[in-house]
Amino acid sequence: AQSVTQLDSHVSVSEGTPVLLRCNYSSSYSPSLFWYVQHPNKGLQLLLKYTSAATLVKGINGFEAEFKKSETSFHLTKPSAHMSDAAEYFCVVTGGGKSTFGDGTTLTVKP
Amino acid sequence: DAGITQSPRHKVTETGTPVTLRCHQTENHRYMYWYRQDPGHGLRLIHYSYGVKDTDKGEVSDGYSVSRSKTEDFLLTLESATSSQTSVYFCAITSGTKTDTQYFGPGTRLTVL
Repeated sequence: AQSVTQLDSHVSVSEGTPVLLRCNYSSSYSPSLFWYVQHPNKGLQLLLKYTSAATLVKGINGFEAEFKKSETSFHLTKPSAHMSDAAEYFCVVTGGGKSTFGDGTTLTVKP
Repeated sequence: DAGITQSPRHKVTETGTPVTLRCHQTENHRYMYWYRQDPGHGLRLIHYSYGVKDTDKGEVSDGYSVSRSKTEDFLLTLESATSSQTSVYFCAITSGTKTDTQYFGPGTRLTVL
């Protein structure tokens, strides 16, 4: 069994400030973890993934995430938000042949 | 971008009518998936396929059927559409195992009146 909890349904930041989107998971397996981004009226695009290699994972557009097994977390960060980062973000855990999606976090970036 | 297209992109239909959504890939990937996306629910798996004529149910499969007669096409059918099936439907593919990165199509917005 597995589950994903995205701790914030909405996050609002100012342009140029750091971004933190939080994700906790549970899994009976050794999971793979993903972050996807979805811009309005678009499909989901992979930002980054963790598959049991380095715990700090770098993705596209300056995003990164750290896998912390002891905390069962996989939080997404970016040092400086850009207006184009405004979108919905999904944390996904995959294990035992099944993918489970979080409910999503909407990121708003204020000028 | 992965070569995935979905058709139609938008559809409005009436309760009780049959509807078929098509997912087409040019990547020759083995695994294909149908999800629905509803506000506050993330994406939920409807059905998936692990090869031609090989399909299985996901967590929200009631009221839906699928077919895969060719590697490149995965069809989702609503035999008798209901208003609760109003949603955005996404197709996804993976290249390797079922746990590999999924690549998503652009989505189909379906409204059932």
